[in-house]
Amino acid sequence: GAGVSQTPSNKVTEKGKYVELRCDPISGHTALYWYRQSLGQGPEFLIYFQGTGAADDSGLPNDRFFAVRPEGSVSTLKIQRTERGDSAVYLCASSLDGSYNEQFFGPGTRLTVL
Amino acid sequence: GENVEQHPSTLSVQEGDSAVIKCTYSDSASNYFPWYKQELGKRPQLIIDIRSNVGEKKDQRIAVTLNKTAKHFSLHITETQPEDSAVYFCAAPWGGSNYKLTFGKGTLLTVNP
Repeated sequence: GAGVSQTPSNKVTEKGKYVELRCDPISGHTALYWYRQSLGQGPEFLIYFQGTGAADDSGLPNDRFFAVRPEGSVSTLKIQRTERGDSAVYLCASSLDGSYNEQFFGPGTRLTVL
Repeated sequence: GENVEQHPSTLSVQEGDSAVIKCTYSDSASNYFPWYKQELGKRPQLIIDIRSNVGEKKDQRIAVTLNKTAKHFSLHITETQPEDSAVYFCAAPWGGSNYKLTFGKGTLLTVNP
């Protein structure tokens, strides 16, 4: 079946602009995660959804970052007033539920803030 | 939060040799330890995981060992092949959760033919 997909694959924006990154999880997976991966580092947890609700947003770095999952499937990560330090690969993952299940990652969106 | 340390950062072996990557964690409540493989420009993929109720798990050429007392776990790859070349990440959950993973910084494994 189809894996986790993310769009766009690359996004270049200017400092101060607003961006939206989309994640399409594996069908039937109730848990969805966003991570950020900087060069030479492991993925860094941002937020976890169980169904439609953000069950844990403790990894979001500040209030410029926000994510939604209105129908419990597709999720959008929104970044306001982008800064150069936001440049990274943003990875989405999904799992059957949030309990000890394999997290399947998407290919990521490479965000570059000029 | 959880602190996961991973060593070594790079590892070069000859084809057919074994490779061992080690990780330590700080949160004694952690009870699930996955290992991910990430090839250049690709997404991370789970290769093996272990839960705290066992000390070792094997899957063909890959094994993971866990020492909860010492709070460390290791990945063992035997009979390495060039296609094993990739970055490997260990991870552990934190904050009393079983989903919020903290990843190590990764080990770049190069298997020389």
